Order: sequence, then C-alpha cells, then structure tokens
Amino acid sequence: KQEVTQIPAALSVPEGENLVLNCSFTDSAIYNLQWFRQDPGKGLTSLLLIQSSQREQTSGRLNASLDKSSGRSTLYIAASQPGDSATYLCAVYSGGGADGLTFGKGTHLIIQP
Amino acid sequence: DVKVTQSSRYLVKRTGEKVFLECVQDMDHENMFWYRQDPGLGLRLIYFSYDVKMKEKGDIPEGYSVSREKKERFSLILESASTNQTSMYLCASSLQDSNQPQHFGDGTRLSIL
Repeated sequence: KQEVTQIPAALSVPEGENLVLNCSFTDSAIYNLQWFRQDPGKGLTSLLLIQSSQREQTSGRLNASLDKSSGRSTLYIAASQPGDSATYLCAVYSGGGADGLTFGKGTHLIIQP
Repeated sequence: DVKVTQSSRYLVKRTGEKVFLECVQDMDHENMFWYRQDPGLGLRLIYFSYDVKMKEKGDIPEGYSVSREKKERFSLILESASTNQTSMYLCASSLQDSNQPQHFGDGTRLSIL
C-alpha cells in the first residue's frame, strides 16, 4: 500500500529565505504527484502537478521536482514571504482500485516577518 | 477557474441522525471524491465516483454512502451519525484524464454531538 511521508512536519524561517520541503513515497509506480497548500480551516489549493514522466514543474517562486525511481519529491520556495505561511501537502496518484490521492501529513510552514 | 462548492462550512448534528453533505462542481468533471481530514491522520479517501450513478469505495467507506444522480453533484451520506465521524470533510473533482489535478472545495467541518 502506498505511503507518503513529509519532512519536516513543521518549519519556521525568516522572511526572504529560500526553503525546501521534502516528500517521499514508498511505491514508485505513480501516475503523478501533486503539491497543495492549505490555509487554516480552509480547503486545499493545488500548486503544482508533476506527471511521472516529468522531472520538475515551476510556477512563479515555486519549483517542484520529482525523482520517481527513488520515491522523492521536493518543493522549493524562493524568497519566502509571510503570505507563504500555510500547511503544504504532497499527494501521489497511483491509480488502481481506489483512485483517490494518497496524502502525506503535511509540513506546517511559518514565515517570520 | 474550477469551482467546487460545498453546501455548508460548519455543521452540527446529533448521534443517530442521517446527515447529508453536498458538493457541486461547475467544470463538467467526470471524477468526484470525498475525503475526510483528521489531525495526525491526514486526508483519507472515503468514496469516489467516475461517472453518474457510479461509485467506488475508498480507504474508509464504513458508515458512509454516496449518491451521484447528476454529473455536477456528489453527495456524502452518514446513515446514522456517530461521534467518531466528527471531522473535516473535503470534496474534490477532476477530469477523467489521470494526469489532471484534483480541485478541492473549502470543506465542511462536521461536529457530531
């Protein structure tokens, strides 16, 4: 059964720093990997989706990479801002009988002004 | 922009009641999903549907049922609510293509007293 792990569980950094969030998954047979942002008490906002054939995706200050063979993905946030404070969730889509996403437990990020 | 609308942000019900959570999407997506999110457990898939009147069990379907009579609407039903079903419920939708992202609603925080 697919398992997704995110490290660290929480991270606090000063504004302006570049940072990396990590995600690992146990079964490399995935269709894609998706990064989400969740603000307190809210739903999920899709940030980036990387297909299994891709190595990375970029959107603004965000860059996500995927190394399928080693079961790892990173989300790089450049020049962090207080508005980036949120919980970041990594999820993989493996297909098969249960066609939902398998989520990690998230990284709670605080950007200090 | 894709819009996934959940009918209630907050809901309080009593044990034994039959509870309906409604979700509507406006982008003609084939796939719709119900997840629940709990502290320490993350998001877990309850049910999904890939077409009208079609449904598939996810990882934790016990105590729940679903209905999809129209393409845009996916309902989650708690047949006889219990306190362990107190949770944040999130609905999502996506196109049939497995490499399309899932889009989430804002969630319904359900309390069962």
